[in-house]
Amino acid sequence: DADVTQTPRNRITKTGKRIMLECSQTKGHDRMYWYRQDPGLGLRLIYYSFDVKDINKGEISDGYSVSRQAQAKFSLSLESAIPNQTALYFCATSPSWDPYGYTFGSGTRLTVV
Amino acid sequence: DAKTTQPPSMDCAEGRAANLPCNHSTISGNEYVYWYRQIHSQGPQYIIHGLKNNETNEMASLIITEDRKSSTLILPHATLRDTAVYYCIVRVVSTGNQFYFGTGTSLTVIP
Repeated sequence: DADVTQTPRNRITKTGKRIMLECSQTKGHDRMYWYRQDPGLGLRLIYYSFDVKDINKGEISDGYSVSRQAQAKFSLSLESAIPNQTALYFCATSPSWDPYGYTFGSGTRLTVV
Repeated sequence: DAKTTQPPSMDCAEGRAANLPCNHSTISGNEYVYWYRQIHSQGPQYIIHGLKNNETNEMASLIITEDRKSSTLILPHATLRDTAVYYCIVRVVSTGNQFYFGTGTSLTVIP
């Protein structure tokens, strides 16, 4: 099994629908992150969490919310999806002392029509 | 965190060394240089990191100039599987700052 698992892998949803992307990890890491990737724009940070009671906005948090249900679970919600949220979404984890950086999931490809 | 500048694309012949440059002229003394790569649309993968000394691991070598304003990632014998986007990031490790990814260098290994 993968260390960082994202579900679903692919999703097509309609404009205005609420959708949740889920991330779970078996690394035992404290910190979890959600990134978005658009063609030609690299990865941009949406939200991050340093522990269960800690939630922080990243560069592009508008239109998104997150929930850290447990140390191992971090979900990203789009309350009312819009077409420009069509993108590839990645979850990542890292330990508190993280000299080797992040472990990324395989990504969720989201299409909003 | 300091910004980095990388060429948008590079080609390399299979079996030759791939040298990927990165400029980080505003790097601070406590910022490390990290390299990640992303193969197709998979999640980025950690390659190597360093502070000021040159580093080598099973994947690559990292050469950091003495003034630390630039670095080079070296893949000693590039294979077709090394075709990917390579990201150079500078970051303060002790504060656990997030990684901010730019657009990276798209490396194509040519048979």
